[in-house]
Amino acid sequence: DSGVTQTPKHLITATGQRVTLRCSPRSGDLSVYWYQQSLDQGLQFLIQYYNGEERAKGNILERFSAQQFPDLHSELNLSSLELGDSALYFCASRSGTGRPGNTIYFGEGSWLTVV
Amino acid sequence: AQSVTQPDIHITVSEGASLELRCNYSYGATPYLFWYVQSPGQGLQLLLKYFSGDTLVQGIKGFEAEFKRSQSSFNLRKPSVHWSDAAEYFCAVGFYTGTASKLTFGTGTRLQVTL
Repeated sequence: DSGVTQTPKHLITATGQRVTLRCSPRSGDLSVYWYQQSLDQGLQFLIQYYNGEERAKGNILERFSAQQFPDLHSELNLSSLELGDSALYFCASRSGTGRPGNTIYFGEGSWLTVV
Repeated sequence: AQSVTQPDIHITVSEGASLELRCNYSYGATPYLFWYVQSPGQGLQLLLKYFSGDTLVQGIKGFEAEFKRSQSSFNLRKPSVHWSDAAEYFCAVGFYTGTASKLTFGTGTRLQVTL
């Protein structure tokens, strides 16, 4: 158990809909990362927050947004869903000030299926 | 730009045989290197990491990796593979952008273990 909790574990929804994925980082971790894993794109970095502030953006679509709340949990919002958004979405957290050598711990992911 | 190459998409080994998974990185400065493992339906678990010191790094589950700067490689090894090692293995490079620490993953190598 990495200590990173993601909900829901599985989600099936229709095209055009909107979903919210939730992440609770490890206790005390200030950095939260979101990754998307799909068969054709592999593991893609989406976005990072540090103590409530956006720190880095990766290949995140405009239809997607995220935020980190004062209690450090984070939510990834996916809207106007398309079939191609079906993927495993990982949340991860990192301790400390975010030095590159600090380990990033991953949750078990949220499986999103868009039908 | 930072990148990670895992040239082997799929590897099959017999139980008890030795294993080497290849990883090459591209990064201008001293890299922070990681190996993660993903079992079916699970999140990513850190096997080991390197960012300084001894170039031979020991990890969990009997894995080790050797950093070779001259070859820009960080290959993962295990002397004797167990059936439970069947999983997908990801090499990653961590780096600091100036405002955030990021982790870039390779495309992964799927390990199959035959009995």
